[in-house]
Amino acid sequence: SYVLTQPPSVSVAPGQTANFTCEGKNIGSKTVHWYQQKPGHAPVLVMYDDSDRPSGIPERFSGSNSGTTATLTISRVEAGDEADYYCQLWDSRTDHCVFGTGTKVTVL
Amino acid sequence: QVQLVQSGFDLRKPGASVRVSCAASGYTFTTYPIIWVRQAPGQGLEWMGWINTNTGSPTYAQGFTGRFVFSLDTSVSTAFLQISSLKAEDTAVYYCARPVTTVTSGVRYWGLGTLVTVSS
Repeated sequence: SYVLTQPPSVSVAPGQTANFTCEGKNIGSKTVHWYQQKPGHAPVLVMYDDSDRPSGIPERFSGSNSGTTATLTISRVEAGDEADYYCQLWDSRTDHCVFGTGTKVTVL
Repeated sequence: QVQLVQSGFDLRKPGASVRVSCAASGYTFTTYPIIWVRQAPGQGLEWMGWINTNTGSPTYAQGFTGRFVFSLDTSVSTAFLQISSLKAEDTAVYYCARPVTTVTSGVRYWGLGTLVTVSS
């Protein structure tokens, strides 16, 4: 089955820019979505279709996808951005959804 | 506004069954699929599958066949997840969710989750 690999953890200082990667075979040919999940809460969709932001998500969040890596970027990181982030896509070969392994983001 | 209201915490013994409900409101229920996602304690998100709310046809991910059943009651805009022959490793939060549009799109709306604990 299709595998999406994310770094287990990322640390970033407030005000800096954070990039979270999601690696998969030829992922650039697929459509990637991203979720933010805070402890004890349901996931929140923060990016869909590679680079579209749902209503209510700050412009500080952006996304890109090319080659073997999809990236979620958060500019001007705030303490409230501390959460787990998951990438996700639809694998048309199996007709199933796949979630990435998740990245725990710590704001220093 | 779109809401998915799930049933509350459930504690069951090994070998028992449990049914989690997911009541939808704020949109036409049969227009969008319902997706089920599992999250074991301290673990990541795991896609269990989805159910076509128009036809009632379920699709199960690998590892969720046999003991897991998705069903609907469209008269009350509610989806159900039934798990039989419960095992300790079924202990998890179970989320129902609705995508932006089709099942291949991002998952826009989530229930709050139902914690199912399996313990003797």
